[in-house]
Amino acid sequence: GENVEQHPSTLSVQEGDSAVIKCTYSDSASNYFPWYKQELGKGPQLIIDIRSNVGEKKDQRIAVTLNKTAKHFSLHITETQPEDSAVYFCAAETRSPNNDMRFGAGTRLTVKP
Amino acid sequence: KAGVTQTPRYLIKTRGQQVTLSCSPISGHRSVSWYQQTPGQGLQFLFEYFSETQRNKGNFPGRFSGRQFSNSRSEMNVSTLELGDSALYLCASSLGQGEEKLFFGSGTQLSVL
Repeated sequence: GENVEQHPSTLSVQEGDSAVIKCTYSDSASNYFPWYKQELGKGPQLIIDIRSNVGEKKDQRIAVTLNKTAKHFSLHITETQPEDSAVYFCAAETRSPNNDMRFGAGTRLTVKP
Repeated sequence: KAGVTQTPRYLIKTRGQQVTLSCSPISGHRSVSWYQQTPGQGLQFLFEYFSETQRNKGNFPGRFSGRQFSNSRSEMNVSTLELGDSALYLCASSLGQGEEKLFFGSGTQLSVL
């Protein structure tokens, strides 16, 4: 089955700096790669996603890149703000239409004002 | 549009007991997935239901079971509770067509004493 690895497990940056979180996956059949943000006491919320036919996607301060050959994808947050502090999860989905989303272990991002 | 609703929010049980958790998906969503979240293991996929049928299953023992009703609401049951079952149980709903965003509830925090 799919195995998703995520690094780093914790990340601390100064407000205004950039943050990068990286994930690798094992199943070359994976086609869908979402990123979720989880704040304390809440469930994960989708912040951006990318499909295997796209190499990069951007939404304001957030961007995701995908390298299918190397089987890795990354989340980039620019101009970080204190409200970006949360746990971020990458995920990969292999089978469609079955929902079988496999998640990375998470990255706790802290943005210091 | 109401989000995914999970009840109860908190549960305390003792070893050997059983527990039932409930999830109401977003209106119109036919797929409900369940995840177990622990600090050490991250988000682990339990199973997915679509149109009252279990469509996919993760690597959990048979003590973990679920079902889905005709209105897409889902329940998850854990029998013969063990200390290691203490976790946040998250439910996520989607249309069920694959490669699409999951909408998570806030979870049920289960503590087994």
